[in-house]
Amino acid sequence: DQQVKQNSPSLSVQEGRISILNCDYTNSMFDYFLWYKKYPAEGPTFLISISSIKDKNEDGRFTVFLNKSAKHLSLHIVPSQPGDSAVYFCAASGGERGGADGLTFGKGTHLIIQP
Amino acid sequence: NAGVMQNPRHLVRRRGQEARLRCSPMKGHSHVYWYRQLPEEGLKFMVYLQKENIIDESGMPKERFSAEFPKEGPSILRIQQVVRGDSAAYFCASSPRQLAGAEQFFGPGTRLTVL
Repeated sequence: DQQVKQNSPSLSVQEGRISILNCDYTNSMFDYFLWYKKYPAEGPTFLISISSIKDKNEDGRFTVFLNKSAKHLSLHIVPSQPGDSAVYFCAASGGERGGADGLTFGKGTHLIIQP
Repeated sequence: NAGVMQNPRHLVRRRGQEARLRCSPMKGHSHVYWYRQLPEEGLKFMVYLQKENIIDESGMPKERFSAEFPKEGPSILRIQQVVRGDSAAYFCASSPRQLAGAEQFFGPGTRLTVL
């Protein structure tokens, strides 16, 4: 029973273009959503988050959009750079436990930026 | 300003042995989380601890697994009588506060291989 789904295992984007990574969730009690970036043999690194009361949050080249009615969020990276090549995980917090509980992760999308 | 530290980075055990994984949170962080990542999967929450207390262990198998975060020293994840299915990457994360959506900072992980 996967509550956070990233349906694209991989995505290839040309350098300089926009990368759009998608994430769907099923648990309507999630109240925060976070994106993490992970390089091989390293731990995940926090990128950006959004509260369920907002529909957009922007930080530099990264923007996260939340469509609560569709239970869908997306991460936009523009312009894409070679260093953005990594696995991106969508994560959610809240659910039935509430508070500062453990995160529920998707399986990740491997983003490949081509020169 | 050291980040989350985990050791060992790699651990090899034979079936039936014990594995001890250590995590030192970032300075000033009193909330520790453990996650497990199986190959081709996302991270799965195991347990959430504060100093000397287990807050949520709903993601941790009932048998053979235990975790602690003593008043002094690192957090320990202990796996007794390891089996091949325990082979995975184990990540520790820490957070400075108990707040919904609070960013969690991850360590580099311990890669456990059970022969």
